[in-house]
Amino acid sequence: DIQMTQSPSSLSASVGDRVTITCRASQSINKYLNWYQQKPGTAPKLLIYAASSLQSGVPSRFSGSGSGTDFSLTISSLQPEDFATYYCQQGYSTPRTFGQGTKVEIK
Amino acid sequence: QVQLQESGPGLVKPSQTLSLTCTVSGGSVSSGSYYWSWIRQPAGKGLEWIGRIYTSGSTNYNPALKSRVTISVDTSKNQFSLNLSSLTAADTAVYYCARDPDYEATFDIWGQGTMVTVSS
Repeated sequence: DIQMTQSPSSLSASVGDRVTITCRASQSINKYLNWYQQKPGTAPKLLIYAASSLQSGVPSRFSGSGSGTDFSLTISSLQPEDFATYYCQQGYSTPRTFGQGTKVEIK
Repeated sequence: QVQLQESGPGLVKPSQTLSLTCTVSGGSVSSGSYYWSWIRQPAGKGLEWIGRIYTSGSTNYNPALKSRVTISVDTSKNQFSLNLSSLTAADTAVYYCARDPDYEATFDIWGQGTMVTVSS
């Protein structure tokens, strides 16, 4: 199985801050990396697919980059509705695997 | 647009088999190039992919659960289902169904999730 490791596990930030979350795969996954946002009591929502493509309807303050084993999700200016948990997921092979999550909290 | 809705028992006894159904609306479970996946999440923990079924009926399962999992599709009801046998407390989780386009390797549409508790 491909292991996905996110960092940090949690972070505190203020509205307007630039936030970056990283995700590392245990082997190369090319650009088969997706990012999801999950708010309490709701299903995850797809934000970024293929490492850097913005899902339809997702605000442009979200961006993704990377290839191979190292990836990042950046929120350019954190908004109140962005406080949530973020997961990366590899789509290179089965079993599909997720990172452990990064909780973004209000400072 | 396509929507997914999970249904099934909220409480199941240890050693029994869990049966969940995902009903697809606004689209067909048998059209297009899609897998249909099950994913679970224990309370306060991360996401675990259980397995998936293709529109052709072929399946892929997580090796960690493979011996206990069966995923099937009922095109007449526009549903796909999960059976998970030999339940233990470790199977207590929110169970999600999700659409998995084979051209994107993502989970682009999710159901709202259903909480399953394994307890006697």
